[in-house]
Amino acid sequence: EAGVAQSPRYKIIEKRQSVAFWCNPISGHATLYWYQQILGQGPKLLIQFQNNGVVDDSQLPKDRFSAERLKGVDSTLKIQPAKLEDSAVYLCASSLAGGSMSEQFFGPGTRLTVL
Amino acid sequence: AQRVTQPEKLLSVFKGAPVELKCNYSYSGSPELFWYVQYSRQRLQLLLRHISRESIKGFTADLNKGETSFHLKKPFAQEEDSAMYYCALSGAGTALIFGKGTTLSVSS
Repeated sequence: EAGVAQSPRYKIIEKRQSVAFWCNPISGHATLYWYQQILGQGPKLLIQFQNNGVVDDSQLPKDRFSAERLKGVDSTLKIQPAKLEDSAVYLCASSLAGGSMSEQFFGPGTRLTVL
Repeated sequence: AQRVTQPEKLLSVFKGAPVELKCNYSYSGSPELFWYVQYSRQRLQLLLRHISRESIKGFTADLNKGETSFHLKKPFAQEEDSAMYYCALSGAGTALIFGKGTTLSVSS
């Protein structure tokens, strides 16, 4: 079974530039998550989708971050404009269903460096 | 507030020694507790969850509601156990809240 795919794997941009990340979840997984992992910290949820609807985006900095999951499959996460403190690894995860009983499978992550 | 605390950033042990990775949590209710592991150059993956009450790769973890702890234990560490370990909790229908992680280093 193919795992969660993410691209790009690495991205370096200057502050105030824009950047977008892409995630392709495991086939058939209804729930998709984006996490931000700052160096030395655990992953922090940014947004959770159930199919193409948003379940939880309470920790998403909506003034600069946006995410969408068109057709309930792939998802993109965008940052516009980027700040230095956005430097982090952005992890995408998917699960068959929402809730704690459904195991989350993680992608390899995208490492973003903002200069 | 919901919070997961892993007090040790780094735990270094010798091969064959017992291992205990500490995890304490703060949650008003009955959370689900998990341990995730990330081996070098690999993805973050689920190691075990408290509700399963199982042993994975020799690791066990018992939920102690009185002490609000979910420590991960293994009686005899192996070099292949070297990795980053994250404790996480999930409330009723909520997404995972992770601790900061503990690096386990097992040397021969």
